[in-house]
Amino acid sequence: EVQLVESGGGLVQPGRSLRLSCAASGFTFDDYAMHWVRQAPGKGLEWVSGISWNSGSIGYADSVKGRFTISRDNAKNSLYLQMNSLRAEDTALYYCANSNQWFGELFGWGQGTLVTVSS
Amino acid sequence: QPVLTQSSSASASLGSSVKLTCTLSSGHSSYIIAWHQQQPGKAPRYLMKLEGSGSYNKGSGVPDRFSGSSSGADRYLTISNLQSEDEADYYCETWDSNTRVFGGGTKLTVL
Repeated sequence: EVQLVESGGGLVQPGRSLRLSCAASGFTFDDYAMHWVRQAPGKGLEWVSGISWNSGSIGYADSVKGRFTISRDNAKNSLYLQMNSLRAEDTALYYCANSNQWFGELFGWGQGTLVTVSS
Repeated sequence: QPVLTQSSSASASLGSSVKLTCTLSSGHSSYIIAWHQQQPGKAPRYLMKLEGSGSYNKGSGVPDRFSGSSSGADRYLTISNLQSEDEADYYCETWDSNTRVFGGGTKLTVL
């Protein structure tokens, strides 16, 4: 069974940085692309970033491009999101998710970690 | 990049059926989409992948009451024999080059 457990969320001031982690188990991590999806309070889902199995393909939403960096460590079955220059509008529940292929549907979801950007 | 349009809300009675719609933007009518369910206070759950032909593949454990179909740029999620636990937000998702998008979501109320 796919298990994705996010961590690293919290309260942070505008302009500061935060690093999210996602620990994966129950599947062969380096066979799958991984993604971060966020959901602002009371809003819908927004794809943030994705990375292919070998880090050869990486993509970002325009809203985070240049501020966020996605990475993965296949040896540790882990996904990361380095978030710099955080803004109030980055406040959201951040989910980790996987897909069979870079071009493929998200089929596994974590429970999310909450990031609150406020002074 | 593609845009997905969903109605903001829908409602149907317990035991009845409902058909939710996700519409692909012009030029993207052949795209494959996925449907996800998000029950109140929970993480999203993958329901199915749905092709333009109407062929669909459901995720593990998704009840037979859930089915998919397609017509042109429209992708449908049909839920039969509605149960109280089907009350949730439903999102469609698609992907293109180095991006992926979600529809705005449909809030389904079971009366």
